[in-house]
Amino acid sequence: QQQVKQSPQSLIVQKGGISIINCAYENTAFDYFPWYQQFPGKGPALLIAIRPDVSEKKEGRFTISFNKSAKQFSLHIMDSQPGDSATYFCAASPSGTYKYIFGTGTRLKVLA
Amino acid sequence: DTAVSQTPKYLVTQMGNDKSIKCEQNLGHDTMYWYKQDSKKFLKIMFSYNNKELIINETVPNRFSPKSPDKAHLNLHINSLELGDSAVYFCASTSQPGQGYMTGANVLTFGAGSRLTVL
Repeated sequence: QQQVKQSPQSLIVQKGGISIINCAYENTAFDYFPWYQQFPGKGPALLIAIRPDVSEKKEGRFTISFNKSAKQFSLHIMDSQPGDSATYFCAASPSGTYKYIFGTGTRLKVLA
Repeated sequence: DTAVSQTPKYLVTQMGNDKSIKCEQNLGHDTMYWYKQDSKKFLKIMFSYNNKELIINETVPNRFSPKSPDKAHLNLHINSLELGDSAVYFCASTSQPGQGYMTGANVLTFGAGSRLTVL
């Protein structure tokens, strides 16, 4: 129940295309869902985050879509750029805790 | 200027040795973490301290011992190193539980990682 399942494991997208990464969870106590971006040799960095009381959050080219009933959330990267090539992690945190549980990661490659 | 700094960045050692990794944050955060990232990039939480008190202790071999001398520092000591301990260890910090919006306080901020290789 503490798991966050992430797919796909890897993704190749043409420049200008849309990258979509999906995550699913089972624990209804999760109430905070951030996405992290990690470049090679660096630590993960927060990209965008959402709470389950909204269905969508957009920041620039990055959008989180959240489906509370299905217990699923996804990251959409519009107009994908080669500079977006990185590993993306979804995560979830149970209400009021300091615990962050990460998905297994998606390696995104955007072709020029 | 580095917000969360870890040392050393690289560590190569023999099986059976004891080694330590140090972490310091200058963000004024109250909570610090150790995460392990294996070769498949999977990030697994190991420990967390809040104001020097251990609050999260996942199923980690007792060869791993964290210590937090103050809320700005969290160290990780590993005894009797094994091949399977080879990984990148990330320190992270935050000041508040996740709240679904990005402020400086509740962002989980990671260091650049310490790559441990056990031969």
